[in-house]
Amino acid sequence: KQEVTQIPAALSVPEGENLVLNCSFTDSAIYNLQWFRQDPGKGLTSLLLIQSSQREQTSGRLNASLDKSSGRSTLYIAASQPGDSATYLCAVRRSGVGNQGGKLIFGQGTELSVKP
Amino acid sequence: SAVISQKPSRDICQRGTSLTIQCQVDSQVTMMFWYRQQPGQSLTLIATANQGSEATYESGFVIDKFPISRPNLTFSTLTVSNMSPEDSSIYLCSVAPLRGDEQFFGPGTRLTVL
Repeated sequence: KQEVTQIPAALSVPEGENLVLNCSFTDSAIYNLQWFRQDPGKGLTSLLLIQSSQREQTSGRLNASLDKSSGRSTLYIAASQPGDSATYLCAVRRSGVGNQGGKLIFGQGTELSVKP
Repeated sequence: SAVISQKPSRDICQRGTSLTIQCQVDSQVTMMFWYRQQPGQSLTLIATANQGSEATYESGFVIDKFPISRPNLTFSTLTVSNMSPEDSSIYLCSVAPLRGDEQFFGPGTRLTVL
């Protein structure tokens, strides 16, 4: 059974710091991994999608890496800003028949607070 | 990408009543998903809804409690039936425009049951 863990559960940093959020998963047979952002009481915003054959993806100040063999992904946020404050969720999609993909399995999230 | 809207955005309901949540997508998609997020928790998949077939429910969720309709490729509804305070959650609609690829979420419906 696939389990996804995110560490730390909460993180508070001063504005301008670079930071890393961690995600680990128990079954390396994944189709892809997706990072989301969730603001309080809101839906999820997709940040980055990494296919199982990829090592990393970048979007602006965000960089996500994937090491499938060790069951780990990291989300790197450069030069953090107060507007980055949110909960960040990692989710893996398991491989399905013919790599059609199965359901997303979510971690518990990391609640990030960036202080001005 | 896909733009998803949900109605209502929030509601406060009485115990024993039912609420139907609507999900509208701006493009045709094969797979639609309904998730629940209980207070302080991560997301749990309720069911997968494909157009033209019965929804597939995850363990712990049953059709009598969460009936789903999927009349076409851009629309779905989730009904939360015979509600109790334990049903107070955010309910989210989600789509994967390309099977197995990037998944997108609606803004959610915040439900409070008194």
